[in-house]
Amino acid sequence: DARVTQTPRDKVTEMGQEVTMRCQPILGHNTVFWYRQTMMQGLELLAYFRNRAPLDDSGMPKDRFSAEMPDATLATLKIQPSEPRDSAVYFCASALITGAVGELFFGEGSRLTVL
Amino acid sequence: SQKIEQNSEALNIQEGKTATLTCNYTNYSPAYLQWYRQDPGRGPVFLLLIRENEKEKRKERLKVTFDTTLKQSLFHITASQPADSATYLCALPGEAGRRALTFGSGTRLQVQP
Repeated sequence: DARVTQTPRDKVTEMGQEVTMRCQPILGHNTVFWYRQTMMQGLELLAYFRNRAPLDDSGMPKDRFSAEMPDATLATLKIQPSEPRDSAVYFCASALITGAVGELFFGEGSRLTVL
Repeated sequence: SQKIEQNSEALNIQEGKTATLTCNYTNYSPAYLQWYRQDPGRGPVFLLLIRENEKEKRKERLKVTFDTTLKQSLFHITASQPADSATYLCALPGEAGRRALTFGSGTRLQVQP
């Protein structure tokens, strides 16, 4: 049963620490997304990749967030240094986008708490 | 900029009734619209996609309409069951230059037995 896998599921850290979240997209999918979900803002797009190339990272605070896809089986989202306002659930999703349309398959999320 | 509005108040209905959720959008005309279901502590799950040239789409007890004049989509669950209780999110592709899906804030549905 193909699924998007995210680690860690839960992370509690202190302000100023580096946090790395990892995502294994579904094999064969060509597009990977990072979203952040909070009660106040809902689901916000942070960045996404097509065939491992970054297409849009305008939703990310550039000074502290970075997203990469070192290979087709791994996407990473790094926060350095972390701040309390970064506390949220971070979702990775993958899709096979042909033309302009595709359904997104989400992972279970990484819940980040920054103290 | 694009704005998606879903009723932030929870919708409470009795089992067996039809639930109707609304998604309104402004400022541009998307080529399609998607609906997702999200359970607590889980990621969203895709339910349905409807294109701009389709007035209505059905899947089992689900029905989606797409009115491009009103800039509105309605999501119906007929013969609702307690297991349908969840948050339902609508999503639209971004405007030109930002094609990833933008999500509404979701409406929580509670089906009472």
